[in-house]
Amino acid sequence: AQTVTQSQPEMSVQEAETVTLSCTYDTSESDYYLFWYKQPPSRQMILVIRQEAYKQQNATENRFSVNFQKAAKSFSLKISDSQLGDAAMYFCAYRGVSGATNKLIFGTGTLLAVQP
Amino acid sequence: NAGVTQTPKFHILKIGQSMTLQCTQDMNHNYMYWYRQDPGMGLKLIYYSVGAGITDKGEVPNGYNVSRSTTEDFPLRLELAAPSQTSVYFCASTPIGFGNTEAFFGQGTRLTVV
Repeated sequence: AQTVTQSQPEMSVQEAETVTLSCTYDTSESDYYLFWYKQPPSRQMILVIRQEAYKQQNATENRFSVNFQKAAKSFSLKISDSQLGDAAMYFCAYRGVSGATNKLIFGTGTLLAVQP
Repeated sequence: NAGVTQTPKFHILKIGQSMTLQCTQDMNHNYMYWYRQDPGMGLKLIYYSVGAGITDKGEVPNGYNVSRSTTEDFPLRLELAAPSQTSVYFCASTPIGFGNTEAFFGQGTRLTVV
């Protein structure tokens, strides 16, 4: 079964600095999709960035970028120029492509605090 | 466009009682999911559905039941509620066949079993 592991329960960053959140996953599939979701105190789940496993180029969305290492099964999120509004819980998620794995599996989350 | 709507937003249930959490989406998505979120545990998949009439168990299905009679609705039934079912419940949906498509989530239901 596929699993997603986030080993950092909490992280802290100074405003305007850069922070990296870690995520590893386990799968026997060669094709799959990875996501980072943000959950602010409002509980709303917001998609931050996504990556297709068959694409070698790392995805970027403005201040958010990923470091996707397929062989190492690692998918870290880098937040540059951190802002107070980035404070939230961040979840890494995996979705396979076959019928049995085509469901979204989440890690345990990393709570990010942004210090002014 | 309402997206995914969950009701109720909050509820207190007594041990042994039953209730149904409602979820409806207006995006014509085939895939729908129920998750529970416990502190420090992330989101655990309870049940999911790939279309009307088709449901399957996720990681933590015990104590729950689902049905999918229409594309729009995916209710979650709690039978004989237990304190261990105190959690925040999220319903989500995605279109069919697009693995990288964003999942749309409801606002969550905070359920307390006392």
